Amino acid sequence: DIQMTQSPSTLSASVGDRVTITCRASQSITNWLAWYQQKPGKAPKLLIYEASSLESGVPSRFSGSGSGTEFTLTISSLQPDDFATYYCQQYDSYPWTFGQGTKVEIK
Amino acid sequence: QVQLQESGPGLVKASETLSLTCTVSGVSISSYYWSWIRQPPGKGLEWIGYVHHSGSTNSHPSLKSRVTISVDTSKNQFSLRLSYVTAADTAVYYCVRHRGYSGHDYFDSWGLGTLVTVSS
Repeated sequence: DIQMTQSPSTLSASVGDRVTITCRASQSITNWLAWYQQKPGKAPKLLIYEASSLESGVPSRFSGSGSGTEFTLTISSLQPDDFATYYCQQYDSYPWTFGQGTKVEIK
Repeated sequence: QVQLQESGPGLVKASETLSLTCTVSGVSISSYYWSWIRQPPGKGLEWIGYVHHSGSTNSHPSLKSRVTISVDTSKNQFSLRLSYVTAADTAVYYCVRHRGYSGHDYFDSWGLGTLVTVSS
């Protein structure tokens, strides 16, 4: 299985901050990577696919980059609605796997 | 707009079989691939397996021996059966829709999720 490792596990930030979350794959996944946002008690929501493509309806302050084994999700200016847990997911090969999550908390 | 709704017992006894159904509305189930994903309380996400209307399925190797995923196109539903459950199978179970290219799929629509607790 391809192991996905996110860092940090928890991130404390303030409204307006630029936030970066990293996701590393245990082997190359080209650009087959998605990012999801999950709020407590809710289902995950797709933000980014193919590493850098923004899902329709997702605010442009979210962006993704990277290829191979290292990827980042950036929130350019953190908004109150963005405090949540973020997951990366590789879909290069079966079984599809997720990172352990990064919780973005209010500082 | 696609909507997915999970249904099934919220409590299952250990060693028995967990059975869930996902009802899809707003789109034909024949047009996409569909998966089940689970999330133990306070933990991360785990892909369980997928089904296509053609009958094609695939599942996580760690669960393959216990998982059956099927589709009923007449009802626009797909289902999950997980046999010989233990406490480790306690989780919120989500049904999801795929998007992507043959084998390179991510998940663009999710059900609300349903908590299944395995009791001893």
